[in-house]
Amino acid sequence: AQSVTQLDSHVSVSEGTPVLLRCNYSSSYSPSLFWYVQHPNKGLQLLLKYTSAATLVKGINGFEAEFKKSETSFHLTKPSAHMSDAAEYFCAAGGSNYKLTFGKGTLLTVNP
Amino acid sequence: NAGVTQTPKFQVLKTGQSMTLQCAQDMNHNSMYWYRQDPGMGLRLIYYSASEGTTDKGEVPNGYNVSRLNKREFSLRLESAAPSQTSVYFCASRAGINQPQHFGDGTRLSIL
Repeated sequence: AQSVTQLDSHVSVSEGTPVLLRCNYSSSYSPSLFWYVQHPNKGLQLLLKYTSAATLVKGINGFEAEFKKSETSFHLTKPSAHMSDAAEYFCAAGGSNYKLTFGKGTLLTVNP
Repeated sequence: NAGVTQTPKFQVLKTGQSMTLQCAQDMNHNSMYWYRQDPGMGLRLIYYSASEGTTDKGEVPNGYNVSRLNKREFSLRLESAAPSQTSVYFCASRAGINQPQHFGDGTRLSIL
């Protein structure tokens, strides 16, 4: 069975400092991996996706993630946080069926 | 660029009432999904439809039914609403395996 673990339920950073949101997955094969962002009272918006091409994936709004098979990780980073980045972030993994497995989310707070 | 459209956006029901949540996508996607989102629980899959004409149970199907009306539309029905079904409901669609899901903005449902 596939699982996704987001290692921090809440991350707090100062504006202008780096962001690191951690995600580990468990799968018997190389999954497709996704990061989504959810702003208050909105649906989930795709930030980036990994589907077995380049291991460093660039997404929207300056975010990127690196797929590390040996560590079964897909951490999300951004060099410099902006106030507008404050939101909840979800990591998800897809496999050979039609379903995605989501982590429980990480709430990112950005302090001025 | 409508994407995935959910109606209604908000609804208040009394216990025992029935309700159908509507979802339509205009991206010609094969697969469609219904999730519920509750605080601290992440996204939980209720039902999904891998392709037109098929539906399957997800993690939490009890108390719900679905209809894949055509390729565009996938509805979720609560036959006899219960307070435990108070939640935010999201519909999503997906072109195929290894592709991301695209989400609607959600339906906020309260059952008194």
